[in-house]
Amino acid sequence: DAGVIQSPRHEVTEMGQEVTLRCKPISGHNSLFWYRQTMMRGLELLIYFNNNVPIDDSGMPEDRFSAKMPNASFSTLKIQPSEPRDSAVYFCASSWGVPLHFGNGTRLTVT
Amino acid sequence: AQKITQTQPGMFVQEKEAVTLDCTYDTSDQSYGLFWYKQPSSGEMIFLIYQGSYDEQNATEGRYSLNFQKARKSANLVISASQLGDSAMYFCAMGPYNQGGKLIFGQGTELSVKP
Repeated sequence: DAGVIQSPRHEVTEMGQEVTLRCKPISGHNSLFWYRQTMMRGLELLIYFNNNVPIDDSGMPEDRFSAKMPNASFSTLKIQPSEPRDSAVYFCASSWGVPLHFGNGTRLTVT
Repeated sequence: AQKITQTQPGMFVQEKEAVTLDCTYDTSDQSYGLFWYKQPSSGEMIFLIYQGSYDEQNATEGRYSLNFQKARKSANLVISASQLGDSAMYFCAMGPYNQGGKLIFGQGTELSVKP
């Protein structure tokens, strides 16, 4: 079975540019999560969706961050405009019950 | 508020020996789940084991077992017969009971297995 698929694996961009991260959850999973991992803050939840509906976006750091889930098989996390402090690994994860399955992550570098 | 504490930033273990990674948690909820994930140097997050707060038996998955002590609020991971491939970061996490998401993670323990 295909796992959670994220693209791109690596993204390097300049400050001020728009960045879009993409995620395809595991088929049949009804919950989707976006996490961010940094050395300073560890793994933190940004937002999660249940049945394509955003349930909790309290972890989204600023209005520069937005996430959508237009259908059960696709989600995006957008940063506009990007800043150097957004550099991190962004994980998408999905679940139906236990456990949570993670994608391989997108390593974002903002210069 | 919920909190996960992993007090061992790094640990070493000899190949084929057992090792225990510590995890304590804080919550006022009666219903919760405890998870362990492995993150090798390649970066992916691999689910290892889950324990629900109502589960009386300690969870086991192959060489992994979770030593769940509810009164002490601890959920230590025991890896038996360590292998070189076990070298990785290990994260303890807490979330809703029988649900996979909305996890709060500890800071992690880096395990190094010596040949």
